[in-house]
Amino acid sequence: DAGVTQSPTHLIKTRGQQVTLRCSPKSGHDTVSWYQQALGQGPQFIFQYYEEEERQRGNFPDRFSGHQFPNYSSELNVNALLLGDSALYLCASSSKLLTSGAYEQYFGPGTRLTVT
Amino acid sequence: AQRVTQPEKLLSVFKGAPVELKCNYSYSGSPELFWYVQYSRQRLQLLLRHISRESIKGFTADLNKGETSFHLKKPFAQEEDSAMYYCALRYQAGTALIFGKGTTLSVSS
Repeated sequence: DAGVTQSPTHLIKTRGQQVTLRCSPKSGHDTVSWYQQALGQGPQFIFQYYEEEERQRGNFPDRFSGHQFPNYSSELNVNALLLGDSALYLCASSSKLLTSGAYEQYFGPGTRLTVT
Repeated sequence: AQRVTQPEKLLSVFKGAPVELKCNYSYSGSPELFWYVQYSRQRLQLLLRHISRESIKGFTADLNKGETSFHLKKPFAQEEDSAMYYCALRYQAGTALIFGKGTTLSVSS
């Protein structure tokens, strides 16, 4: 099991553009959470998907949207990119159904987004 | 609002010295507290959680509800402990993690 995988690894975009980041959860996991980690900061929660619906959302504008597919993989979309969106975007997966280790979040390696 | 504070950006110690990474939180209920670690060029991973009351790699952390603290301790630091450490809070099972800004631990010989 490769664990949580994310693509792409790095991405450079221009202000105003749109970007899509992808995440495949750890095998057996059904819940995906997205975090933004700016330089020198801890990860900040964006939103969480379960059963293809957004279940919880952090303090991020509507420019940030997501999707979860039937195979539990997920996408994070950011529209109208700003310079301040430059960050490492982390995906974490977990399971609500495990009898042990339930809800423990496993993190992917992240996607480094640079907005110029 | 829930908040996690890690007052030290950097903690430098010598090998064999005791280590204490501080974490304070603000939440009026009964949260779950975690320590995550990120070694160089590796992904963020769970180190320990307060409900397990376990020792991982020699590290322990005790939840002090009176002081709203969850400090991470190790009696004798090793060079391989050098990493970025994040304290995190979750106010309800299955909800989002709220992270502190992290502390870089540097252990030198």
